[in-house]
Amino acid sequence: ETAVFQTPNYHVTQVGNEVSFNCKQTLGHDTMYWYKQDSKKLLKIMFSYNNKQLIVNETVPRRFSPQSSDKAHLNLRIKSVEPEDSAVYLCASSFLGGRATGQLYFGEGSKLTVL
Amino acid sequence: QQQVRQSPQSLTVWEGETAILNCSYEDSTFDYFPWYWQFPRESPALLIAIRPVSNKKEDGRFTIFFNKREKKLSLHITDSQPGDSATYFCAASNNRIFFGDGTQLVVKP
Repeated sequence: ETAVFQTPNYHVTQVGNEVSFNCKQTLGHDTMYWYKQDSKKLLKIMFSYNNKQLIVNETVPRRFSPQSSDKAHLNLRIKSVEPEDSAVYLCASSFLGGRATGQLYFGEGSKLTVL
Repeated sequence: QQQVRQSPQSLTVWEGETAILNCSYEDSTFDYFPWYWQFPRESPALLIAIRPVSNKKEDGRFTIFFNKREKKLSLHITDSQPGDSATYFCAASNNRIFFGDGTQLVVKP
C-alpha cells in the first residue's frame, strides 16, 4: 500500500523551463528526503527535512530548491532545467532521520525528461 | 570518500544457486545496515536489515552476514529465483543514511 505519494509521476519538458514535484506522506514520519536516481540506478541524496527544517543539503545546483510546508509535505522545484537533470526523483520518509530503524519508505518516483 | 561500497556491480546466477552480494563501509559509528531491493520500474523497498550487535540475520532465503571488525557485510540469497532479479542496495546509517551504488542481480531460469 502506497503511503508516500508523488506528483507528477512523469514530466517531459524543455531546457530552461521550470518544474515542480510534490510529495506527501501519510505515515506520520518526521523526516522526508529527495533522492535523484540516474539512468545507472545510482541513488544520490539531494535534500532532507526533519520537522520542516533542512538538515541535509548536499551539493546540488542552485536551480534546485526544496520547500516544506509541514512534516508531511516536501516539494522540489527546479528553476531552469538542464539536460543532466533528466532522472527519476524519489521522495522518501522515515523517523528521526533514519536513526531509529533506518527504514526509508519511497514514493513511486517522478521521472523527468529534459529535451 | 564513498561511505558504502558494493561489489560486484552486476551478478548473474542460475536458478537454484546462491547469490552473494558484498558490501563494505567506512564509518564505525554506523549502527544500522539495511538492504533495499528495487525491481524494474519500481521504487526501492526494504528487504532485510541488521544491527552491529548481531553477526547474522536471516529471513527466509535471505541472510546477512556481518563482520564488524572488517567493516564488511554480505547478503546471501539461497535457492535464487528469477523473481529475485533486481538491483540490491546496501545502506548504512547513523544519523544519516548512505547508499552503495547497487548490485544488479539477474537470475536465469
